[in-house]
Amino acid sequence: GAVVSQHPSWVICKSGTSVKIECRSLDFQATTMFWYRQFPKQSLMLMATSNEGSKATYEQGVEKDKFLINHASLTLSTLTVTSAHPEDSSFYICSVLTGGAVSGYTFGSGTRLTVV
Amino acid sequence: KQEVTQIPAALSVPEGENLVLNCSFTDSAIYNLQWFRQDPGKGLTSLLLIQSSQREQTSGRLNASLDKSSGRSTLYIAASQPGDSATYLCAVSPSGSRLTFGEGTQLTVNP
Repeated sequence: GAVVSQHPSWVICKSGTSVKIECRSLDFQATTMFWYRQFPKQSLMLMATSNEGSKATYEQGVEKDKFLINHASLTLSTLTVTSAHPEDSSFYICSVLTGGAVSGYTFGSGTRLTVV
Repeated sequence: KQEVTQIPAALSVPEGENLVLNCSFTDSAIYNLQWFRQDPGKGLTSLLLIQSSQREQTSGRLNASLDKSSGRSTLYIAASQPGDSATYLCAVSPSGSRLTFGEGTQLTVNP
């Protein structure tokens, strides 16, 4: 099956700084990647859909200027949390739709972000 | 707006027991439904994917059923083991693209 690598697995940053999270599709060319956020004891909420070579599509309520998404190649999408604040502390996970709807989704291992 | 509900929110069973996790969704116009497993602090592992035209899928001790007309899916785990302890998430897709997740069932299998 497809392999999705996410880096870093955890990061602690100071309030006001920016953090970049990478999501790589190691063996599949992904024109579309998805970014989710998960708060403790809650389920995953879709933040945005990342499209290779074009602008990302953000869900309602997600600030596009705060959560910058870049999908410059078929194997890499990045999420940058700009001017991070403690309320941005969360678990961020990317996913790739592999092999069409028949194969479903493959998820990265997630990034635990803690803003202090 | 699609809403996905999972019952129960938490479940604790002794090892060896067979169990059923439930998932319901409000909009039956789905393309597929997928069950995932999430270990604490980890990403998601896909367990089973059911296309809207299918009624069930099986993998080892796992069996997932889908009743699209009633908006329900069940995940059956046979002969549960402590290693099955995790949170199980159900997610539906309207068109083979974005997923809507339930809040999960936290399963604990006691030795």
